[in-house]
Amino acid sequence: DQQVKQNSPSLSVQEGRISILNCDYTNSMFDYFLWYKKYPAEGPTFLISISSIKDKNEDGRFTVFLNKSAKHLSLHIVPSQPGDSAVYFCAAGGYQKVTFGIGTKLQVIP
Amino acid sequence: KAGVTQTPRYLIKTRGQQVTLSCSPISGHRSVSWYQQTPGQGLQFLFEYFSETQRNKGNFPGRFSGRQFSNSRSEMNVSTLELGDSALYLCASSLEGQGVREQYFGPGTRLTVT
Repeated sequence: DQQVKQNSPSLSVQEGRISILNCDYTNSMFDYFLWYKKYPAEGPTFLISISSIKDKNEDGRFTVFLNKSAKHLSLHIVPSQPGDSAVYFCAAGGYQKVTFGIGTKLQVIP
Repeated sequence: KAGVTQTPRYLIKTRGQQVTLSCSPISGHRSVSWYQQTPGQGLQFLFEYFSETQRNKGNFPGRFSGRQFSNSRSEMNVSTLELGDSALYLCASSLEGQGVREQYFGPGTRLTVT
């Protein structure tokens, strides 16, 4: 039972354009949402998070949007850079446990 | 500050054997979580330890076990290895008060079972 779904296994974007990564969840009890970035041969790195009481959180080029009614969150990267090419994991949960999606591989083309 | 370290980085074992993986968290971090990453399943939560106690557990069989020492270092053990246990095993640590939010991951141990 996948409670956190990333339905796009991969995404290609031109450098300088916007990258939009999507994530859907099924558990309405989730109160905290996170995005992690993972390069090959490295562990995931925390990128940005959002609490369920907010609908937007911004950190530099990265913005996460949360739509609780649709149980959907998205990560926007503007402008996209070649160094952003990585696998992005969406995660959702509470204090003691988070559930990860299967990841979306982003390729930013120079 | 040193990051999360995991040893060994790569491991090849035979079906039926057992294996122990080690994780040293960031200094001051008392919560350590373990995850299994496979291509089709993403990161799946194994268990979380805090102050030497297992605080949370995922849906894995009893062949997967762990422990945490007084210095917060953690070990994960898999007994009677199966081919399906081949995966990247990731350890993550976090600060007290953060729970498992904003975890810091190690590079992982790549386990291959033949």
